[in-house]
Amino acid sequence: NAGVMQNPRHLVRRRGQEARLRCSPMKGHSHVYWYRQLPEEGLKFMVYLQKENIIDESGMPKERFSAEFPKEGPSILRIQQVVRGDSAAYFCASSPITTDTQYFGPGTRLTVL
Amino acid sequence: DAKTTQPNSMESNEEEPVHLPCNHSTISGTDYIHWYRQLPSQGPEYVIHGLTSNVNNRMASLAIAEDRKSSTLILHRATLRDAAVYYCILIDGGATNKLIFGTGTLLAVQP
Repeated sequence: NAGVMQNPRHLVRRRGQEARLRCSPMKGHSHVYWYRQLPEEGLKFMVYLQKENIIDESGMPKERFSAEFPKEGPSILRIQQVVRGDSAAYFCASSPITTDTQYFGPGTRLTVL
Repeated sequence: DAKTTQPNSMESNEEEPVHLPCNHSTISGTDYIHWYRQLPSQGPEYVIHGLTSNVNNRMASLAIAEDRKSSTLILHRATLRDAAVYYCILIDGGATNKLIFGTGTLLAVQP
């Protein structure tokens, strides 16, 4: 059973461009979480999704950030008009049911020039 | 979410046991105690969790105080690969299960 997959592993964008981060959960997992880790800071929850539904987006910045988890395909975290402060490691986790263990991917390291 | 308190850092020697403490004095009856760790440049990794009774798995043991206001993660024989930041997290069994990470304990393992 392959683990949680994230791509790309490294992403470089210039200010004002869009960043798309993909997360393929483990087989059989229908719950996806996104977390962000800013340089020299801790991990912060961003959003929790189930298939075709956003359950909790209390950690998402109000502007420029969006997430989706379609019926088919990976979950996408989209950042529009990136700024230097968006440079961070973005981790995705999946779980099979709400109260179960979360399994994390290797992360996408976003650098905004 | 109830908060946890952990030491910022600890040191251990290779092949010796390590006891990582966590205080959670405001824990509620439905909160599970979870431990995750993050190795350098990697995503977090689940270690162990429990509710009231002590727990063992292939990675570690979790000792939970009788009043549940504290717990201890025990690595029976530390290896260099155990050097990581260890997070103690409380999760409400009936909620969305989002993880609220604190600052954790940075464990250094000396050869």
